[in-house]
Amino acid sequence: EAGVTQFPSHSVIEKGQTVTLRCDPISGHDNLYWYRRVMGKEIKFLLHFVKESKQDESGMPNNRFLAERTGGTYSTLKVQPAELEDSGVYFCASSQGTSGSNEQFFGPGTRLTVL
Amino acid sequence: GQSLEQPSEVTAVEGAIVQINCTYQTSGFYGLSWYQQHDGGAPTFLSYNALDGLEETGRFSSFLSRSDSYGYLLLQELQMKDSASYFCAVNSGGYQKVTFGTGTKLQVIP
Repeated sequence: EAGVTQFPSHSVIEKGQTVTLRCDPISGHDNLYWYRRVMGKEIKFLLHFVKESKQDESGMPNNRFLAERTGGTYSTLKVQPAELEDSGVYFCASSQGTSGSNEQFFGPGTRLTVL
Repeated sequence: GQSLEQPSEVTAVEGAIVQINCTYQTSGFYGLSWYQQHDGGAPTFLSYNALDGLEETGRFSSFLSRSDSYGYLLLQELQMKDSASYFCAVNSGGYQKVTFGTGTKLQVIP
């Protein structure tokens, strides 16, 4: 069974440009999460989809970030315009959400560098 | 809101035992999870405690005390490959919301 995949693995852009990150969750997982880890700090929650609906987007930093999950399958996270402080590793995770542990399966992450 | 505290770094000798503590403050607590992340890799799930007590999975064990808002991860017979960051995480909000701590970087030395 394929795991969570993310694209691209790395992205280097200039301040003010736009970047779109993609996440393909494990097939059948209704829950999809976006996280960000900056400079070895905590894994910070950004938002949570249940199927195509945003369940919780309390972690989104500001309106420069837009996440979508069309059809409840893959998700995109767009940053427009990018700022220097947006640099970090963006992780996507998915889970079935049917077990008490809500074990999350993480993708390999997208390392974003804003110059 | 939720907050979790864990030591930033721990160093231990190969073959030894190490305990990584986690204290939390949260509303709507459902359980405590632990994840491992190697440098440059993705976090991977290790364990979950919903009830007080110790859960054992091979060399790794996890403990929870709900009354103390405290848990720990115990790693036995340390191996060099155990060098990684370890995150505790609180399940809340109908168990589907997971809030991660700041992570503990474990270095295993020969």
